[in-house]
Amino acid sequence: GENVEQHPSTLSVQEGDSAVIKCTYSDSASNYFPWYKQELGKGPQLIIDIRSNVGEKKDQRIAVTLNKTAKHFSLHITETQPEDSAVYFCAASPMFSGGYNKLIFGAGTRLAVHP
Amino acid sequence: NAGVMQNPRHLVRRRGQEARLRCSPMKGHSHVYWYRQLPEEGLKFMVYLQKENIIDESGMPKERFSAEFPKEGPSILRIQQVVRGDSAAYFCASSPPSQMNTGELFFGEGSRLTVL
Repeated sequence: GENVEQHPSTLSVQEGDSAVIKCTYSDSASNYFPWYKQELGKGPQLIIDIRSNVGEKKDQRIAVTLNKTAKHFSLHITETQPEDSAVYFCAASPMFSGGYNKLIFGAGTRLAVHP
Repeated sequence: NAGVMQNPRHLVRRRGQEARLRCSPMKGHSHVYWYRQLPEEGLKFMVYLQKENIIDESGMPKERFSAEFPKEGPSILRIQQVVRGDSAAYFCASSPPSQMNTGELFFGEGSRLTVL
């Protein structure tokens, strides 16, 4: 089955710097790659996603890139702010279809943005 | 439109007792997923259900764990004869019917089970 690895496990940056989180996946059939943000005591919340027919997607300060050949994808956060501090999870979905979307998550990256 | 509602938010059980976790999906959503999160770890898929049907329970332990999503009422994750290793946060997520599904799973705030 699908396996998702995520690095680094912790990331500390100064406010205004960029943060990059990387993930690799094993199942070449995976076609949907979301990123979730989890704040303390809360459930994960989708921040951006990308599908296998697209190489890059951007939403304001957040961007995601996908390299299908190498089977890795990355989250880029620019101009980080203290409120970006949270745990970020990447995920891959092997064959999202028919409404069934079984997400396999990475282990998470704890991002700390220092003022 | 209320989000995914989970209760209880916190549950303490002694070894050997039963734990019942409830999840009400977002209005209009017909797909429910349960995930388990151990401390400092990612979310592990347990089970996927539609109304009255278990579609994929490949991530759920074969013994002591069961899930249901009845025609009326919330989805229930039931853990019998709990052990300390069951201590975790259990998250429910929902998504809309296929024709409206973008891939996003909408998560509740979780139920944190502590087994003494």
